[in-house]
Amino acid sequence: GQQLNQSPQSMFIQEGEDVSMNCTSSSIFNTWLWYKQDPGEGPVLLIALYKAGELTSNGRLTAQFGITRKDSFLNISASIPSDVGIYFCAPRANFGNEKLTFGTGTRLTIIP
Amino acid sequence: NAGVTQTPKFQVLKTGQSMTLQCAQDMNHNSMYWYRQDPGMGLRLIYYSASEGTTDKGEVPNGYNVSRLNKREFSLRLESAAPSQTSVYFCASSARQGQNTEAFFGQGTRLTVV
Repeated sequence: GQQLNQSPQSMFIQEGEDVSMNCTSSSIFNTWLWYKQDPGEGPVLLIALYKAGELTSNGRLTAQFGITRKDSFLNISASIPSDVGIYFCAPRANFGNEKLTFGTGTRLTIIP
Repeated sequence: NAGVTQTPKFQVLKTGQSMTLQCAQDMNHNSMYWYRQDPGMGLRLIYYSASEGTTDKGEVPNGYNVSRLNKREFSLRLESAAPSQTSVYFCASSARQGQNTEAFFGQGTRLTVV
């Protein structure tokens, strides 16, 4: 079966610092999704990537779909307190495969 | 627009009891999912349904059954609850591949089995 590795597992940073996290897999995907989960809530989509090599920004967030289609990274610039939460990658396979699995998550904590 | 609605939000069960977690979506999505979330384990897929009338096992299906009652509703049943099933359960739905594939999540059900 596919192996999906997300790192780091947790991050402790100061406000204003940049953040970087990534997911790698042994399988090829045609979509990479990045979600954020706030405490007590369900995950919410941040960025969707649909093409290998694609680099997409959403405000302070930047994500890239790896050229090999087996990896993706998410960067957050100039972190603010509301960035606290758990970030998940969720790749999707080829058309017709509706299975959607998630990485183990990166827990972001901002140190005051 | 309610999106994905899960009930109940909280539940405490005794070992061996049964219960059904309900999920409904009003976005006309074909695909629906059930996940459990445990500390350090992320979201693990229990079962999913690509369309009405079909269900498939995910990563951790043992101890669970599902029913895709119609396009809107996808229920998760625990026939004989065990302490290992203490978790937060999330239902999600999405459009089919090739369209906007974003998955929308419910608020979660926090289940404790004692």
